[in-house]
Amino acid sequence: DVKVTQSSRYLVKRTGEKVFLECVQDMDHENMFWYRQDPGLGLRLIYFSYDVKMKEKGDIPEGYSVSREKKERFSLILESASTNQTSMYLCASSPSAGGGWYNEQFFGPGTRLTVL
Amino acid sequence: QKEVEQDPGPLSVPEGAIVSLNCTYSNSAFQYFMWYRQYSRKGPELLMYTYSSGNKEDGRFTAQVDKSSKYISLFIRDSQPSDSATYLCAMSENGNNRLAFGKGNQVVVIP
Repeated sequence: DVKVTQSSRYLVKRTGEKVFLECVQDMDHENMFWYRQDPGLGLRLIYFSYDVKMKEKGDIPEGYSVSREKKERFSLILESASTNQTSMYLCASSPSAGGGWYNEQFFGPGTRLTVL
Repeated sequence: QKEVEQDPGPLSVPEGAIVSLNCTYSNSAFQYFMWYRQYSRKGPELLMYTYSSGNKEDGRFTAQVDKSSKYISLFIRDSQPSDSATYLCAMSENGNNRLAFGKGNQVVVIP
């Protein structure tokens, strides 16, 4: 059974704190993604990685950074948390897209982050 | 204009009704079309996918793609309270690792 796990379901942090969100997948997928999900705005891509130590900015990378030191693990870092980063954060993974293959993304359960 | 448009308005239907959801898109290079279902406090899960144009049926669910109109639909027949969830459309170009998502529709099926 495919699995994407996220380190915390709920997290409360204070403004200015450094925050680490961890994601681990056990499917040997090349691609990993970080999204945030907000009411009325849907899923927005923050960063993604298509290989170890590789990363690409998504649509809203400002205020975030990522780290991928091992294939199975992708970390999202909020260098200095702000209240507008209060959100649901979802991690996903997928195999590398090849010709003729749709790239289903498998999602973790999400981390509800509140920044006070 | 956003790549994928999905009216995020909530939808309440009585049990047994047909649920109709749709998305429009602007990128003619999209080849793969997916519907994800997301239950409350869970991550999205793939419900159905379709390649290029046409229909696909899986039990009570039917996905339709009309590439000429850049329009996709999901129909749920004989809706059940267990179908209450948020439904997100997603699509991608051939060989592209990224998915473009709609905002999602919250569906509530009332017993």
